[in-house]
Amino acid sequence: AQTVTQSQPEMSVQEAETVTLSCTYDTSESNYYLFWYKQPPSRQMILVIRQEAYKQQNATENRFSVNFQKAAKSFSLKISDSQLGDTAMYFCASLSGGYQKVTFGTGTKLQVIP
Amino acid sequence: KAGVTQTPRYLIKTRGQQVTLSCSPISGHRSVSWYQQTPGQGLQFLFEYFSETQRNKGNFPGRFSGRQFSNSRSEMNVSTLELGDSALYLCASSPELGESSYEQYFGPGTRLTVT
Repeated sequence: AQTVTQSQPEMSVQEAETVTLSCTYDTSESNYYLFWYKQPPSRQMILVIRQEAYKQQNATENRFSVNFQKAAKSFSLKISDSQLGDTAMYFCASLSGGYQKVTFGTGTKLQVIP
Repeated sequence: KAGVTQTPRYLIKTRGQQVTLSCSPISGHRSVSWYQQTPGQGLQFLFEYFSETQRNKGNFPGRFSGRQFSNSRSEMNVSTLELGDSALYLCASSPELGESSYEQYFGPGTRLTVT
């Protein structure tokens, strides 16, 4: 069974600053994928970034990057130059064992302060 | 391409009734997954369909069922509604091909309120 843990229910960051959201996961599979999804208030969930477990290089998408520590089963998201539009719930998720059964963490509510 | 669409967006039902929710995936996507999102339980996986076959099922009672049609559109049904079924029901589709094969694209959700 997969588990995903996000230990920070809420966080805040000043506009233009950098913030890191934490996530740990557990899986017995050797091949798996990790994701960060963003759910803005009253808007739909969108994929922010993904990481394949077999890739050692950390994924980067513009201002978003991850720190993937495979041995520690840690997958944190760093948001640089935070913008007001980054205010949202952020969900860490994992997929393993094939198919599309994704396990989500409980989410971190991020507030960007002007 | 048009995104994932879900209908209806909002629904109010009474305990004991049944409800059917619909999801149209992105054109070309053959995998459709359903999730229940509540403040207390977070996002929970309901089931996933691929080419009209259910491939995965979460830990929900048999009152929750679904199906997928040949055009990849999917429906989920909840019978004998309970107050605890009030939630945002999210549908997500996936291409299952190429680099993005395991990325899921979500619809806006259907907000179900059971009274």
